[in-house]
Amino acid sequence: QVQLQESGPGRVKPSETLSLTCAVSGYSVRSGYYWGWIRQPPGKGLEWFGTIHHSGRTYYNPSLKSRVTISVDTSKNQFYLKLTSVTAADTAVYYCARTDGVTGTTAFDMWGQGTMVTVPS
Amino acid sequence: SYELTQAPSVSVSPGQTASITCSGDKLGDKYACWYQQKPGQSPVLVIYQDDKRPSGIPERFSGSNSRNIATLTISGTQAMDEADYYCQAWDSNTVVFGGGTKLTVL
Repeated sequence: QVQLQESGPGRVKPSETLSLTCAVSGYSVRSGYYWGWIRQPPGKGLEWFGTIHHSGRTYYNPSLKSRVTISVDTSKNQFYLKLTSVTAADTAVYYCARTDGVTGTTAFDMWGQGTMVTVPS
Repeated sequence: SYELTQAPSVSVSPGQTASITCSGDKLGDKYACWYQQKPGQSPVLVIYQDDKRPSGIPERFSGSNSRNIATLTISGTQAMDEADYYCQAWDSNTVVFGGGTKLTVL
């Protein structure tokens, strides 16, 4: 059974860098799927950060691209999110998810439980 | 940048049909998918590629997409269907989500 589990600090100071890990179990990140990060501020909708393939190829949300780095470690079966220069506006639940690709048919069919990250104002 | 627009809320009586729409420029030329999110839970994919249901999703969930509007239809709505619903599409190498619709089953 495929499972995704996010981990990281629950609290990050303003101007610092947020680093999150998504551990994948029951499926190899090297297999034919892509892996993405999505966040949801409290009481608000979903926002896509980006998607990565095990080869390292990445696709980023243009509005966040200057602050975001997504990477993958196939030996650990994990992928990562780094968000620089955080502010209170980055307070959100952060999800990692699996997607079937980066084409018009793309959809996220498996999601982690999410991890709450707070940036104090 | 591409935008998807959803009504903030929709209400339906139990047993009736709920229709949740998502509008975007020439959305019918793209594929739309839909997620259900209940309070405190992660989103769940309920429709992909406009009208396909993942394994385990009840048949009462269906989807369509034409011209500028994608529609999620829930037939015989049940109390357990009360949730937020988000549409999503892909445009110019970017994933785009709609703002979400809160479905209330009265």
